[in-house]
Formats: sequence, structure tokens, C-alpha cells
Amino acid sequence: GIQVEQSPPDLILQEGANSTLRCNFSDSVNNLQWFHQNPWGQLINLFYIPSGTKQNGRLSATTVATERYSLLYISSSQTTDSGVYFCAALSGGGADGLTFGKGTHLIIQP
Amino acid sequence: KAGVTQTPRYLIKTRGQQVTLSCSPISGHRSVSWYQQTPGQGLQFLFEYFSETQRNKGNFPGRFSGRQFSNSRSEMNVSTLELGDSALYLCASSLLVADTQYFGPGTRLTVL
Repeated sequence: GIQVEQSPPDLILQEGANSTLRCNFSDSVNNLQWFHQNPWGQLINLFYIPSGTKQNGRLSATTVATERYSLLYISSSQTTDSGVYFCAALSGGGADGLTFGKGTHLIIQP
Repeated sequence: KAGVTQTPRYLIKTRGQQVTLSCSPISGHRSVSWYQQTPGQGLQFLFEYFSETQRNKGNFPGRFSGRQFSNSRSEMNVSTLELGDSALYLCASSLLVADTQYFGPGTRLTVL
């Protein structure tokens, strides 16, 4: 099945800083999503982005499908951005469901 | 529209028991997927249902099973619980296969 790797595993930043989270995947994808997991465990959808670029407020994402990577940008970080960010991909017929990376644990300090 | 709902939110069971978890998808969504999240293994795919048929199943033992009803609601069952089954179980729904998946709040299962 597809492999999904995220980097960095941990990131500590000051409030107001910008950050870039990376997701590499090993095969072509039909679906690529970015999630933020809140402290209670719920996965919050950020982007559905199998290719191209999208923006939503301070967050934006870019997926370069031909080079098999996706980037999540967070600008002007706030403490509420803290948490774990997951990238997940689905390839081919989706036989393995969404395959998740191990996540990036982001801490924004005031 | 209401989001994906899961019941119960928390559950404590003992080894050897069985458990049934329920998931109600977003209205109109026909695909329901289940995932298990543990600190050691991360998020892993359990199975996917579409129009009452299991489309795919992850690498889990036969003790893990599920079903989907005609109204798209889904249940998953774990029999003969083991300590290692303690996890957060997440359900996701999507309009179609390979579409955006929306996750519920999860059921946190503790096996003693």
C-alpha cells in the first residue's frame, strides 16, 4: 500500500511565526487530506487537496502530485493552532482506506 | 447539516467481552469508514462500507467486524476483547468513495 511520511515530527514556534509542514507519499493519489486533531481526539478537516493549491484564512496547502508531496502552510501562528496535524492519502481503488502519516506535533508558545 | 455522530463516546470493558460501536454519517453520505488510533500504531484503517456492502477491510483480525444499514448508519463490533484493543475508534463518512472524508468525535474504548 501507499506510504505516507510527515515532517517534522515536532515543531515548537512562537506566536506569530509561520510554519511549513510536509507530507511525502509513495504513490499517485485519488484523495489527499490534511487534518488537525483537537485535544479531544476529533479530526478536523483542513483541506481536501489531491493536487493544486488551496487557501483558507491563515492556512494554505499545496500538493504537487507529480512529485508526490504536499505542504501545509500556517501563517501568523496562534496558540490555538497547537495540536497534531495529519496528512492522509488514498491511492488506486482505495483498498486500504485513508493511509495516515504519523503526524506533526505543533506547539505554539505565547 | 449535522456532522458525523458516534455513540457511545466512552466505554470501559473487560477482557473477553464484546463491544458494539455506532456511527451515524452526515445526511446523504453513503460511504462510512472506520479507523483505530493507538499511541503505538497511529491511525489505521479498519473497514469501509458503501451502500450496505463492505468494500475494503484493513489488516485486522476477524474479531473486528462491521455492518451498514439501509439508512447508511454503521456499527462495528469487536468480540473477545483484548487489552490491545484499547484505542480511539473513529468513524468517517463521505458522499462517495475517494471523496472528502469527515470524521466523527470518536469512541474511546478502554479494555481492562
